[in-house]
Amino acid sequence: DTGVSQDPRHKITKRGQNVTFRCDPISEHNRLYWYRQTLGQGPEFLTYFQNEAQLEKSRLLSDRFSAERPKGSFSTLEIQRTEQGDSAMYLCASSLRTAWSSGNTIYFGEGSWLTVV
Amino acid sequence: DQQVKQNSPSLSVQEGRISILNCDYTNSMFDYFLWYKKYPAEGPTFLISISSIKDKNEDGRFTVFLNKSAKHLSLHIVPSQPGDSAVYFCAAKSQRGGSEKLVFGKGTKLTVNP
Repeated sequence: DTGVSQDPRHKITKRGQNVTFRCDPISEHNRLYWYRQTLGQGPEFLTYFQNEAQLEKSRLLSDRFSAERPKGSFSTLEIQRTEQGDSAMYLCASSLRTAWSSGNTIYFGEGSWLTVV
Repeated sequence: DQQVKQNSPSLSVQEGRISILNCDYTNSMFDYFLWYKKYPAEGPTFLISISSIKDKNEDGRFTVFLNKSAKHLSLHIVPSQPGDSAVYFCAAKSQRGGSEKLVFGKGTKLTVNP
């Protein structure tokens, strides 16, 4: 499978615990994005990386959230001291930006469901 | 403030007929638009996109129309098939603004009846 891969697919955690999600983008895609989706809403942008550099962050990304892409390949999204309001699907996406490709087509993974109880 | 609006939460059509899904936007800086399809418990799947320099883009059964003066776009699916039943999201971005952020609408649930 050469699509965007996310792990775990489902996570149930107690309020106050930390959780970490992993994303493996499509091979050779240099851009990686994190979005969050709650029921009845469209995906909301959280942050994006160009290679290992985090270039844009939404104000939705509070201090409890941190994302990394240390080697410009896979990425992790950590949520510290989880709250019930963090319950959502966390979507990772990737795209390829080159001198001849705008990178506008963004491909999503299947998402990681988080339930905070 | 909802910058991308999909005012119809749901749409039901007969198999073989045309499905028309609508999307309105308020930010005049948006210059690239995408449609995604989403099945339950899965991530969005890219369908088709259009740049603001065009007013129409076609890919098989899917055609997207863009009316910049009205800040309106629509996705036409012809002919509709039962497998098209899903939630469809409209998304927009501003390349000129230097942001990579996609702004999504809330989605329209399409049901294609056999």
